[in-house]
Amino acid sequence: DTEVTQTPKHLVMGMTNKKSLKCEQHMGHRAMYWYKQKAKKPPELMFVYSYEKLSINESVPSRFSPECPNSSLLNLHLHALQPEDSALYLCASSQDAGWNGYTFGSGTRLTVV
Amino acid sequence: DQQVKQNSPSLSVQEGRISILNCDYTNSMFDYFLWYKKYPAEGPTFLISISSIKDKNEDGRFTVFLNKSAKHLSLHIVPSQPGDSAVFFCAAETRGYGGATNKLIFGTGTLLAVQP
Repeated sequence: DTEVTQTPKHLVMGMTNKKSLKCEQHMGHRAMYWYKQKAKKPPELMFVYSYEKLSINESVPSRFSPECPNSSLLNLHLHALQPEDSALYLCASSQDAGWNGYTFGSGTRLTVV
Repeated sequence: DQQVKQNSPSLSVQEGRISILNCDYTNSMFDYFLWYKKYPAEGPTFLISISSIKDKNEDGRFTVFLNKSAKHLSLHIVPSQPGDSAVFFCAAETRGYGGATNKLIFGTGTLLAVQP
């Protein structure tokens, strides 16, 4: 299995809702990442998990809450989002040595109404 | 502060010709540079990478050149094919032990259109 699987592919949520994005990989990668991509912009790093511990938080607002329950799973819990949070949320994973690059999922298209 | 820049938002080339995509960076501490291809509503797909200690890496139709003194890298695609049409992102990585502080920073992207 050489894929990163993200669910759901599309999500529409209200500003008072609580929802979660899910990411799964079975490549034995020990680093996992959340990126956010707005239209016509590059992906921007949000969080880095290494060996199931949060190692980097790029000053992301607390309405985004990451969680890494085990080495194969990464969640992003969403609460009280704003319409400007609407974007494509990408999950990625990598081995320690990144020579083969990061493997990205196909993303979750989030719309906040 | 955009540490990785691609100054050409778009590029159009004829099928069979060479495509050259350029990228500039400001941080001399980057360890690796990577190129990704991306279609709308999909995740980036890894193409090729180069270590900061190398100046060239080749993989099939794709060659990446790195000029550290100029803080510039380029991706050459020869020959270009219509299926190559996509947004190409360069990305730069700083590495920490065990991936704990690996950070991948993307450039602004170049939309490549290969005309049949």
